[in-house]
Amino acid sequence: AQTVTQSQPEMSVQEAETVTLSCTYDTSENNYYLFWYKQPPSRQMILVIRQEAYKQQNATENRFSVNFQKAAKSFSLKISDSQLGDTAMYFCAFMDSNYQLIWGAGTKLIIKP
Amino acid sequence: DADVTQTPRNRITKTGKRIMLECSQTKGHDRMYWYRQDPGLGLRLIYYSFDVKDINKGEISDGYSVSRQAQAKFSLSLESAIPNQTALYFCATSDFKEPRATFFGQGTRLTVV
Repeated sequence: AQTVTQSQPEMSVQEAETVTLSCTYDTSENNYYLFWYKQPPSRQMILVIRQEAYKQQNATENRFSVNFQKAAKSFSLKISDSQLGDTAMYFCAFMDSNYQLIWGAGTKLIIKP
Repeated sequence: DADVTQTPRNRITKTGKRIMLECSQTKGHDRMYWYRQDPGLGLRLIYYSFDVKDINKGEISDGYSVSRQAQAKFSLSLESAIPNQTALYFCATSDFKEPRATFFGQGTRLTVV
């Protein structure tokens, strides 16, 4: 069975700093998708970025980028120039061949002014 | 208006009561999902449906039932609520043409006392 592990329950950084959230996963599949979702206090689940396993190039969305290491089964999220609005829970998720999402436990990120 | 709408947003109910959480979507998606979120556990899949006549159990279906009344509506029922079903519940949708794009409702906070 696939599993997703986020080893950092909580992190905090100063505004404008760069922060990296870690995620590792376990699967025997070769083609899959990985996602980072943001959940602010409003509870809404917001897609931040996604990565297709067959693509070697790391995905980037504005200040958000990933470091995808397929052999190591690692998928970390880097947030550059962090902003107060980035304060949220961040979830790493894996989509299997049945298009079902398996979620990590989340990392609470606090951006301090 | 939200594309995926959950009602109610918050609910407190007593142990043993039957309760229904409702989800409707305007995205025209064929696939709908119910997830449960508990602190420290991420999201876990309860039930999913790929069309009106297709209902499938997820990871944690015990104590829950669902009904797909129409393509746009997918309800989750707790026949006899118990305190450990206190959680945040999410409905989500996706389209078979683009199954990697999952859209979430705003969540229902359910408290069983």
